[in-house]
Amino acid sequence: QQPVQSPQAVILREGEDAVINCSSSKALYSVHWYRQKHGEAPVFLMILLKGGEQKGHEKISASFNEKKQQSSLYLTASQLSYSGTYFCGTERPGGYQKVTFGTGTKLQVIP
Amino acid sequence: EAQVTQNPRYLITVTGKKLTVTCSQNMNHEYMSWYRQDPGLGLRQIYYSMNVEVTDKGDVPEGYKVSRKEKRNFPLILESPSPNQTSLYFCASRGLAGGTNEKLFFGSGTQLSVL
Repeated sequence: QQPVQSPQAVILREGEDAVINCSSSKALYSVHWYRQKHGEAPVFLMILLKGGEQKGHEKISASFNEKKQQSSLYLTASQLSYSGTYFCGTERPGGYQKVTFGTGTKLQVIP
Repeated sequence: EAQVTQNPRYLITVTGKKLTVTCSQNMNHEYMSWYRQDPGLGLRQIYYSMNVEVTDKGDVPEGYKVSRKEKRNFPLILESPSPNQTSLYFCASRGLAGGTNEKLFFGSGTQLSVL
């Protein structure tokens, strides 16, 4: 079952912040985050593990609330290069490393 | 350079004509997987493989076959393609030796059109 992402789409002006949420109805072991530019392959941003700490990557960070089976991706002081579609991928305990992706959040940063 | 290589990049075919999309990785990864991407549906898993000769269905396996005879290769086979298989396909691999905190490496994608 695919995790649910929200919002589906968001438009930001340069310098603004955004939060993208990912939630699952099942217990999770880890959450992956990837960004995809149009027509290209998804690019890895970070992985959050159950029991792990909040991760950061430049001005992009994420948290994982394993009790609520939710993860959030935080984009701070957005840049034009942040535009793209963001996918969360979830991995369940004992799930044989199978990663299931959400439907994506399309982010557009405008000048 | 560590990479996942998919071929072809673009493919146009007709209904019923068998085709194979190849995927190869040079990182000695145990785990490999195929996804299809359709507008509004995200990335949906077709099949995955934990190691040589070990494959399992993902969420949308109907109409597809895979094989894992060698660790580096994981071809996707469409025995009788239909128009609803028109999609963007991605192969991905992942190392398991370091535990489950390994990221997925994606190929560059195959845009398939079935007429």
